[in-house]
Amino acid sequence: SYELTQPPSVSVSPGQTATFTCTGDYLGDKFASWYQQKPGQSPILVIYQDTQRPSGIPERFSGSNSGNTATLTIRGTQATDEADYYCQAWDSRTEEVFGGGTKLTVL
Amino acid sequence: QVQLVQSGPEVKKPGASVKVSCRSSGYAFTNFGLSWVRQAPGQGLQWMGWISTHNGNTKYVQNLKGRITLTTDTSTTTAYMELRSLTSDDTAVYYCARDRRTAAAAGGRGFDFWGQGTPVTVSS
Repeated sequence: SYELTQPPSVSVSPGQTATFTCTGDYLGDKFASWYQQKPGQSPILVIYQDTQRPSGIPERFSGSNSGNTATLTIRGTQATDEADYYCQAWDSRTEEVFGGGTKLTVL
Repeated sequence: QVQLVQSGPEVKKPGASVKVSCRSSGYAFTNFGLSWVRQAPGQGLQWMGWISTHNGNTKYVQNLKGRITLTTDTSTTTAYMELRSLTSDDTAVYYCARDRRTAAAAGGRGFDFWGQGTPVTVSS
């Protein structure tokens, strides 16, 4: 079955750039999405189809996808960005798959 | 505005079934699919299945096939997720999410609006 791998944690200082990676076989040939989830809340879509931002998501959130790695970047990280971030992609045999999630800590 | 409102918390005994509802509003219901995602306590997100609100076509995650059924009622713009033969491993928060995927072979489009979640506890 298809799997997506994310590092368990990322730490940044306020104002710095947070980078999240998501790896999977030939992931660059698929569409990747990213979700933000704060404790006790439903997930929020922050990037879809590799690079697209839904309405209401700040421009400091951006995405890319190439080779085996999709990347979510948050520029000018704020304390309010502290959350779990999940990548997600679709495989024709496994269907929709989520990565295990990365916890962002803003120091 | 787009809203997905789910039914309330459930407590079930092992071996029972649960049926969670998800009522959509604020958009053309049949223009988007619906996916269901669950999250066990302290764990990550698990996709469970997708349904086309246009023709009722469904896709399910392999390890739930045979226990899960997704349906919709277009007259009330409500989707339902039924899970049978529950065990303690099914204890989780269950979410419905609007899926930008509209065709069975075109996934990966993103889940852009989510319900508030329905906690389901399975305990004897």
